[in-house]
Amino acid sequence: QVTLRESGPALVKPTQTLTLTCTFSGFSLSTSGMCVSWIRQPPGKALEWLALIDWDDDKYYSTSLKTRLTISKDTSKNQVVLTMTNMDPVDTATYYCARIRGGRGFDYWGQGTLVTVSS
Amino acid sequence: EIVMTQSPATLSVSPGERATLSCRASQSVSSNLAWYQQKPGQAPRLLIYGASTRATGIPARFSGSGSGTEFTLTISSLQSEDFAVYYCQQYNNWPLTFGQGTKLEIK
Repeated sequence: QVTLRESGPALVKPTQTLTLTCTFSGFSLSTSGMCVSWIRQPPGKALEWLALIDWDDDKYYSTSLKTRLTISKDTSKNQVVLTMTNMDPVDTATYYCARIRGGRGFDYWGQGTLVTVSS
Repeated sequence: EIVMTQSPATLSVSPGERATLSCRASQSVSSNLAWYQQKPGQAPRLLIYGASTRATGIPARFSGSGSGTEFTLTISSLQSEDFAVYYCQQYNNWPLTFGQGTKLEIK
């Protein structure tokens, strides 16, 4: 059974760095073709893709956010970590992690974690 | 960056009727397109990948078609549980991109 779960602070202050952890089970990120991604959704708005890391440790980022994002993995712990620097109130959103493999779309998602940026 | 444009923004359809949702890519994404359904307070659910392949457990009333830049999601006979927001997403080029969504509401 594949599961993903996001964890991190619910509230961060402007200019702070956000660190989110995706802990997953039921698959291995060392399996060829396996990837984990971060996606966010501001309240009432559309989904926005942020970053992806693959089984080979290749990393891909949103063009508009790439200077602020870092994605990494710890295969032994089954975790993927996303850091986002210089947080702003416009970054208030539900942050999801999701699995994608072999070009089949994001087939499993976490329940999401709401991050509010406010002083 | 490939821009995904969905239409209409809101679609009002009666239960039992057919719904047709459109997604257009600003350049070709081949068949590397997925559709998702999202209900309030829930994570998105994968419906279709490869433009036309239903994901595991998705009812046959959901079908996808298209390639290149024009794609369609069709729901053949709407059930009450199908009223939700639908997103398309391309995974042909980096960065990955989503459409802005179509809200399917009860008429």
